[in-house]
Amino acid sequence: QKEVEQDPGPLSVPEGAIVSLNCTYSNSAFQYFMWYRQYSRKGPELLMYTYSSGNKEDGRFTAQVDKSSKYISLFIRDSQPSDSATYLCAMPGNTGKLIFGQGTTLQVKP
Amino acid sequence: DGGITQSPKYLFRKEGQNVTLSCEQNLNHDAMYWYRQDPGQGLRLIYYSQIVNDFQKGDIAEGYSVSREKKESFPLTVTSAQKNPTAFYLCASSLGGARGNQPQHFGDGTRLSIL
Repeated sequence: QKEVEQDPGPLSVPEGAIVSLNCTYSNSAFQYFMWYRQYSRKGPELLMYTYSSGNKEDGRFTAQVDKSSKYISLFIRDSQPSDSATYLCAMPGNTGKLIFGQGTTLQVKP
Repeated sequence: DGGITQSPKYLFRKEGQNVTLSCEQNLNHDAMYWYRQDPGQGLRLIYYSQIVNDFQKGDIAEGYSVSREKKESFPLTVTSAQKNPTAFYLCASSLGGARGNQPQHFGDGTRLSIL
């Protein structure tokens, strides 16, 4: 079992839809959680960085952490074609190295 | 503007040839990383360095080598021993620290292909 699991998609939604992207993890000791967005042929850029459980909002993006279920989510409201990208979750492992999910490819159709 | 610069964007390697990928950062970050990204496989860690003149192997270090002579520079050499080098290579940096909970910031990658 991988430490971090993420459905690779692809996920296709119409413009304006609410998008939900999810990751599960196996290690209950994880406390920091990150979401990255990666456009084609570019490096990942940090979108959200959260600590422990709860919600964090930044514009149209909301990151949610449920430590009891070992489940994290990224919600995108009013999705735009410019949100079309691959979204990666990541969390520091026991050795301090960042463990990435496989990434979910999102396409927002106009 | 602060950031991470990777060069070149595209690189071609002949059989039996070593090639070096450049990574420079002006973020004053202590830690630097090299990842390999293949379609459908996410990011895999090749090497990382927490401080100058020190580096550690990641999960897939075989066939690669690095150096860290300066804080801002962390070049990666893909040697002829790496039999499947075709991939997208990403360099990252972070503030570092023992717990590794600092977010990493990435360059825009180098795409390496075999001639």
